[in-house]
Amino acid sequence: DTEVTQTPKHLVMGMTNKKSLKCEQHMGHRAMYWYKQKAKKPPELMFVYSYEKLSINESVPSRFSPECPNSSLLNLHLHALQPEDSALYLCASSPGQGGYGYTFGSGTRLTVV
Amino acid sequence: AQSVTQLGSHVSVSEGALVLLRCNYSSSVPPYLFWYVQYPNQGLQLLLKYTTGATLVKGINGFEAEFKKSETSFHLTKPSAHMSDAAEYFCAVSDPGGNTGKLIFGQGTTLQVKP
Repeated sequence: DTEVTQTPKHLVMGMTNKKSLKCEQHMGHRAMYWYKQKAKKPPELMFVYSYEKLSINESVPSRFSPECPNSSLLNLHLHALQPEDSALYLCASSPGQGGYGYTFGSGTRLTVV
Repeated sequence: AQSVTQLGSHVSVSEGALVLLRCNYSSSVPPYLFWYVQYPNQGLQLLLKYTTGATLVKGINGFEAEFKKSETSFHLTKPSAHMSDAAEYFCAVSDPGGNTGKLIFGQGTTLQVKP
């Protein structure tokens, strides 16, 4: 298995809703990432998990809450989002240090109404 | 701090013509370098990477890139463009000394291929 699987592919949520994005990989990668991507822009790093521990939080608002229940699974819990949070949310994984590059999932297209 | 500059936010070529997408990096040490491609409404796919060794790197779909330390460049080329190459291309760098492989992306280049 050489894929990163993200669910759901599309999500529409109201500003008072609570929802979660899910990311799963079975490649034995020990680093997992959440990125946010706006249209025609590069991905922006949000969080990095290394060996199931949060290692980087790029000053992301608390309405985004990451969770890494095990080495294969990464969640992003969403609460009280704003319309400007609408974007493509990408999950990625890598074996660890920088020379490997990432394997990206196909993303969750989030629309906040 | 590392940074990546992609020259030209939009490149248009005719089918069968040479593709050249430019990438320059700024780093205090030779970084790891990557090119990714993104098709509409999809994630990013790794085209090729340079870590160490041979400076001419071949990737998928006929793409290749050459690491030139003296020019701090890692330009992406393909001899003959195909309609299916139309997509967004991102150059990225990571710090060889980093523990998490954090990637820094350029702003991206949209490749248009005309029939």
